[in-house]
Amino acid sequence: DTEVTQTPKHLVMGMTNKKSLKCEQHMGHRAMYWYKQKAKKPPELMFVYSYEKLSINESVPSRFSPECPNSSLLNLHLHALQPEDSALYLCASSQDPSEVISYNEQFFGPGTRLTVL
Amino acid sequence: AQTVTQSQPEMSVQEAETVTLSCTYDTSENNYYLFWYKQPPSRQMILVIRQEAYKQQNATENRFSVNFQKAAKSFSLKISDSQLGDTAMYFCAFMKHAGANSKLTFGKGITLSVRP
Repeated sequence: DTEVTQTPKHLVMGMTNKKSLKCEQHMGHRAMYWYKQKAKKPPELMFVYSYEKLSINESVPSRFSPECPNSSLLNLHLHALQPEDSALYLCASSQDPSEVISYNEQFFGPGTRLTVL
Repeated sequence: AQTVTQSQPEMSVQEAETVTLSCTYDTSENNYYLFWYKQPPSRQMILVIRQEAYKQQNATENRFSVNFQKAAKSFSLKISDSQLGDTAMYFCAFMKHAGANSKLTFGKGITLSVRP
């Protein structure tokens, strides 16, 4: 299984709603990532989890709250979002957070298309 | 800090022809990794090809090959025998080292259209 899955595929929410995005991988990867991508732009890194611990937070507003319940799962909890937060949210995983292996390819999921009204 | 530059926003190529996508980068590191990612209109990002900076030999994956010029900090992607399924946005990316805390730095991307 070389797949990263994300649910839901599409999400529409109001500015007062609370929702969550889910990401799952069963490749035994120990690093997981959240990216935000606007149309026709490159992905922007938001968070990195390494061995289920948050290792990078790219100064993301607190209305985005990541969670890594176990090595296969990554959640992104959303609360009080703004319309400018509408974007494609990509999850990715990679094999080994250490530098032992020669490369560390990131496998991306299909993304969740989020619209904030 | 590392930067990745893709100066061409769009390109078009006839099916079965060859096209080259350009990418330059700037870094003071000696060992690093370079990638080309493809994102078709369905939006799933997939890795096309990778190159380790310490390897002199250019990477090749079937119809995809790179021209890696380390001194010039250039990393172009050549697509041979272009197919309709190659229509996508292509991102060049740089990674300083293999650890998870080494971020992928993406270029702005190029939209490639393959004409039938």
